[in-house]
Amino acid sequence: KQEVTQIPAALSVPEGENLVLNCSFTDSAIYNLQWFRQDPGKGLTSLLLIQSSQREQTSGRLNASLDKSSGRSTLYIAASQPGDSATYLCAVSGRGSTLGRLYFGRGTQLTVWP
Amino acid sequence: DTEVTQTPKHLVMGMTNKKSLKCEQHMGHRAMYWYKQKAKKPPELMFVYSYEKLSINESVPSRFSPECPNSSLLNLHLHALQPEDSALYLCASSQTIPTTSGAYNEQFFGPGTRLTVL
Repeated sequence: KQEVTQIPAALSVPEGENLVLNCSFTDSAIYNLQWFRQDPGKGLTSLLLIQSSQREQTSGRLNASLDKSSGRSTLYIAASQPGDSATYLCAVSGRGSTLGRLYFGRGTQLTVWP
Repeated sequence: DTEVTQTPKHLVMGMTNKKSLKCEQHMGHRAMYWYKQKAKKPPELMFVYSYEKLSINESVPSRFSPECPNSSLLNLHLHALQPEDSALYLCASSQTIPTTSGAYNEQFFGPGTRLTVL
């Protein structure tokens, strides 16, 4: 069964710092890896999707990398802002009997203070 | 438009009530999902519909009954719930269920329905 782990569980930083959030998964037979943002009590907002054949994706100040062979992904946030405060979730989609299922990590709770 | 809408935003119900949650998308997606999320936990998959047919039921109790009347609409019918069923219920959609790697796999989530069972 796929296991997804996110480190750190929580992060508190001053505004302007460049951040690295880590995600690891146990089964490298994935289709995609998706990064989400969730504000308290709200739904999930898709930030980036990396296909299994890709190494990275970029959107604005966000850059996500994927090393499928080592089972790792990194979300890099440049020049963090207080509005970036949220929980960031990593999820992978798999093959075989797990079609349609996203396996989620427990998230990294980010606080950016002014 | 990458919007998934859910109604109601909040729902309070007693254990003997029957209620329904509604989810709608107009992106032409043919896969739709129900998730349950408890506080400080990641979402847990409940059901997956593919082309209006139930594809995955993650051993969900029968007091939760999903329905997909058409390709844009997904309902979750609730009956005789327990207080431990109180949670945020999230709906999501993607172009299809992933069978290969591809951008079409991207799942888009709605804002959720906060359910409280008394």
